[in-house]
Amino acid sequence: DIQMTQSPSSLSASVGDRVTITCRASQSISSYLNWYQQKPGKAPKLLIYAASSLQSGVPSRFSGSGSGTDFTLTISSLQPEDFAIYYCQQSYSTLIFTFGPGTKVDIK
Amino acid sequence: EVQLLESGGGLVQPGGSLRLSCAASGFTFSSYAMSWVRQAPGKGLEWVSAISGSGGSTYYADSVKGRFTISRDNSKNTLYVQMNSLRAEDTAVYYCAKAPRAMVRGGINNYYYYYMDVWGKGTTVTVSS
Repeated sequence: DIQMTQSPSSLSASVGDRVTITCRASQSISSYLNWYQQKPGKAPKLLIYAASSLQSGVPSRFSGSGSGTDFTLTISSLQPEDFAIYYCQQSYSTLIFTFGPGTKVDIK
Repeated sequence: EVQLLESGGGLVQPGGSLRLSCAASGFTFSSYAMSWVRQAPGKGLEWVSAISGSGGSTYYADSVKGRFTISRDNSKNTLYVQMNSLRAEDTAVYYCAKAPRAMVRGGINNYYYYYMDVWGKGTTVTVSS
């Protein structure tokens, strides 16, 4: 089974900061990596799919990169509405998914 | 508008059964794979199960294999999960999600990237005596 890790598990940042979250897979997953944002009491929201493709309607300050085992989600200028938990998800095998443990982004 | 609405959650005793439903609208339901994802209180997201658009292929997390059965009725635009032999650790909010795929042409082969682009609001399952 493919295991996913994320770092850091939490971070504190200010509005306007550049934020980077890392996700690592236990084996190579090519570009089969998605990113989600979840706010308290709400369903997750898709941000990035296939490692770097921005989902329609998602602000361009969000970007994804990486392939193989190491991936990054970057928020170029953190906005108040971006404080949330971010999850990576691998989809290397057809319709079999694994989520990372999440990274909580809160206000410094 | 694309919408997913889960129902069927509730309180059930350990060892009991429950069937969750997810009513879909606003898209051609049979054209898309669907998935169930759960979130235990205060915990992260856990993928539970997925099913192809036709219903002919099903997939399960090890934690639910042999106890949960995913199915769909494309004539009713509805996704289901039958949950048997429930345990305390199955207590969670259960979300259904639409799981489309993006195709990337790569020479001889095409590559399909699955993701979850639309989610329901979730239904809560509590397993407790």
